[in-house]
Amino acid sequence: IAGITQAPTSQILAAGRRMTLRCTQDMRHNAMYWYRQDLGLGLRLIHYSNTAGTTGKGEVPDGYSVSRANTDDFPLTLASAVPSQTSVYFCASSEGKSPTDTQYFGPGTRLTVL
Amino acid sequence: GQNIDQPTEMTATEGAIVQINCTYQTSGFNGLFWYQQHAGEAPTFLSYNVLDGLEEKGRFSSFLSRSKGYSYLLLKELQMKDSASYLCAADNDYKLSFGAGTTVTVRA
Repeated sequence: IAGITQAPTSQILAAGRRMTLRCTQDMRHNAMYWYRQDLGLGLRLIHYSNTAGTTGKGEVPDGYSVSRANTDDFPLTLASAVPSQTSVYFCASSEGKSPTDTQYFGPGTRLTVL
Repeated sequence: GQNIDQPTEMTATEGAIVQINCTYQTSGFNGLFWYQQHAGEAPTFLSYNVLDGLEEKGRFSSFLSRSKGYSYLLLKELQMKDSASYLCAADNDYKLSFGAGTTVTVRA
């Protein structure tokens, strides 16, 4: 069982370009999340999805969009990348049946926007 | 809004005990999580507390006081592999708010 996979592992992107970060889980978890992690700021929630077909905004949603067409996939799109979006992006999932369900994290995508 | 505070860095000697404190102010609090993150890797779950008191899991223990908005993670019999960042996270309606993390360095 792979758990959560993310692609790409790392990417260097020119400002203004469109980029989609992919996230797939095989645990049949209902809830999925996207975080960014920056030095000194910790993990910040970008968007989340409590179940397939629904999404919600987190703490820092501006400049990002998500979709949840099915249970397994939760892609994050940067429509027009800016240098401030340089960060490490983590996808996570949880069963989503209880507020205290454990979140499991993918390996991360290191994104650099020049 | 959410406010999670924890120390930035701690250093301890192999075999010693270290206590990482975390204070939080959140609305709709459900529970408190601790994650471990080694450099360049993903966070991994360590423990969570829903009720007040101490939860023990081998060398790691976590404590919660809901009335004080306070938690701590206790690492006993420190090993070199425990050198990592420890993240405190408060659960609010299925969403986690994370502190900036405490980097623990274990010295021989």
